[in-house]
Amino acid sequence: EVQLLESGGGLVQPGGSLRLSCAASGFTVSSYAMSWVRQAPGKGLEWVSGISGSGSSTYHADSVKGRFSISRDNSKNTVYLQMNSLRAEDTAVYYCAKSRVPTTVVTDYWGQGTLVTVSS
Amino acid sequence: DIQMTQSPSTLSASVGDRVTITCRASQSISNWLAWYQQKPGKAPKLLIYKASSLESGVPSRFSGSGSGTEFTLTISSLQPDDFATYYCQQYNSYSLTFGGGTKVEIK
Repeated sequence: EVQLLESGGGLVQPGGSLRLSCAASGFTVSSYAMSWVRQAPGKGLEWVSGISGSGSSTYHADSVKGRFSISRDNSKNTVYLQMNSLRAEDTAVYYCAKSRVPTTVVTDYWGQGTLVTVSS
Repeated sequence: DIQMTQSPSTLSASVGDRVTITCRASQSISNWLAWYQQKPGKAPKLLIYKASSLESGVPSRFSGSGSGTEFTLTISSLQPDDFATYYCQQYNSYSLTFGGGTKVEIK
């Protein structure tokens, strides 16, 4: 059974950093594209970052480019989102998601999400 | 980036109604479009991919159509479990952008 378990969220001050983790089971992250998607309170979905199945390519939304970085550890079957220079507008539930098949980026399984709150 | 515009933003309907949601892309995305359903406090659920392909396990009352810049999600006969928010997403190119969402409410 495919499962994705996010962790690492919490309260952080503006300008601070957090690293989110997404532990996968039931499949191998090195074979699928993975994404991080966020949802601010009461708002819609916003794609944040993606990593290709090969791991050789990463992509970020303009809103987080230069501040966020996606990576993965194949030995731990885990994907990460390093978030630096956090702003109030980064406050959201962050979901990780796997691609439906290795050759696409559309996502089928999502985690339950982890809440990041940026506030002083 | 490709902009995705959904309409309407809110829709009031009754059980048994036929419901149609529209999604427009700011440029052609071929058929690289997905539809998701989200209920409060839950992660989104994939309904449709590649504009018209039904994800496994999704009821056949859901269907998708369109290509290029105009897409629709249709629920042929609305059921109580279908009251939720629906999002389109383009995956033709990064950034993978979502539409603003359509909330389907009970009339």
